[in-house]
Amino acid sequence: AQTVTQSQPEMSVQEAETVTLSCTYDTSESNYYLFWYKQPPSRQMILVIRQEAYKQQNATENRFSVNFQKAAKSFSLKISDSQLGDTAMYFCAFMKHEFVGANSKLTFGKGITLSVRP
Amino acid sequence: DAGVIQSPRHEVTEMGQEVTLRCKPISGHNSLFWYRQTMMRGLELLIYFNNNVPIDDSGMPEDRFSAKMPNASFSTLKIQPSEPRDSAVYFCASTPDREYNSPLHFGNGTRLTVT
Repeated sequence: AQTVTQSQPEMSVQEAETVTLSCTYDTSESNYYLFWYKQPPSRQMILVIRQEAYKQQNATENRFSVNFQKAAKSFSLKISDSQLGDTAMYFCAFMKHEFVGANSKLTFGKGITLSVRP
Repeated sequence: DAGVIQSPRHEVTEMGQEVTLRCKPISGHNSLFWYRQTMMRGLELLIYFNNNVPIDDSGMPEDRFSAKMPNASFSTLKIQPSEPRDSAVYFCASTPDREYNSPLHFGNGTRLTVT
């Protein structure tokens, strides 16, 4: 079974600064996918970024980037130029690779609450 | 694309009553997932379907919980009888079968309060 750990329950950052959210996971799988989801106060779950384990290059999406360390089983999210709209809960999630059949389920961490201060 | 649609958005009920949560996945998506979110346990997978067939229901907490997917465009999660500890936000999510390992598309959730 896979586990995802987000050890920091909450963080705060000044607007326009950079913040890094930590995530570690445990798995015996060699091929898998990692995700960061954002949940603002509206409760909607929004996909922020996705990383395929077989890719060495770290994924980036505009102001969001990841630091994927496969050997260390670490997957941190860096938010550059933080904006007030980034205030939300952020979840790290794991999905093992499936070749055929049903899509694999997502296993989530407990989440971290990020507050961006004006 | 209307997204995953869940209803109701909020539900308040008394202990012992039956509760039914509804979900309409994105058209063309063949996999559907029900998650429960609480402060204590975070997001937990309850059950998921592929092509209307339940694949894994190991997360369903007990017999009071049941889920159905009678067709490709509709699923229900029923709790009977409900208890205060069932209070949580329940999310439905879907993915397209043709894209293995694709990320989940979530609905806006149903906040259930059992008094």
